[in-house]
Amino acid sequence: DIQLTQSPSFLSASVGDRVTITCRASQGIGSHLAWYHQKPGKAPNLLIYAASTLQSGVPSRFSGSGSGTEFTLTISSLQPEDFATYYCQQLDNYPHTFGGGTKVDIK
Amino acid sequence: QVHLVQSGAEVKKPGASVKVSCRASGYSFITYAMHWVRQAPGQGLEWMGWINAGNGNTKYSQKFQGRVTITRDTSATTAYMELSSLRSEDTAVYYCAKLHYDSSGYYMSLDHWGQGTLVTVSS
Repeated sequence: DIQLTQSPSFLSASVGDRVTITCRASQGIGSHLAWYHQKPGKAPNLLIYAASTLQSGVPSRFSGSGSGTEFTLTISSLQPEDFATYYCQQLDNYPHTFGGGTKVDIK
Repeated sequence: QVHLVQSGAEVKKPGASVKVSCRASGYSFITYAMHWVRQAPGQGLEWMGWINAGNGNTKYSQKFQGRVTITRDTSATTAYMELSSLRSEDTAVYYCAKLHYDSSGYYMSLDHWGQGTLVTVSS
């Protein structure tokens, strides 16, 4: 199975901060990576697919980059509604594994 | 708009089976695969498997092979996930999620999710 390692696991940030989350794959997955965020008690919500394509309706402050084994999700200016847990998922090989998650909390 | 509505919470005893439904609306059900993902309390997301809603072909995570069965009823636009031989570690929220392809048809993601179904396994 492909392992996805997210870092950091937890970060504390303020409104307006630039935030970067990293997702590393145990083997190359091309650009077959998606990013989601999840708020407590809610289902995940798709942010980015194909590593860097913004899902329709997602604010442009979110961006994704990378290919192969290293990927990043960047929030250019953190907003109050962005405090959540973020997950990456690879859809290159089965099983379509998720990273362990990054919780973004209010400083 | 796309809606995925799942069945209600379940409480099961160890060794029993559970079947969770996911009723889809707002899109062509047979055109897109349906995936199942679970989340244990306070934990991350775990991919379980998927079904091609058109032809019924399935693919399961090896972790659940032999215990999970994903089916669909095209007339009811509903997908089902049945998990057998339940144990306490199967206590989790189970989600269905619709597959999305990008414009090239090459890159996938899960663009719509059900609200989740809590399955509690307890004696």
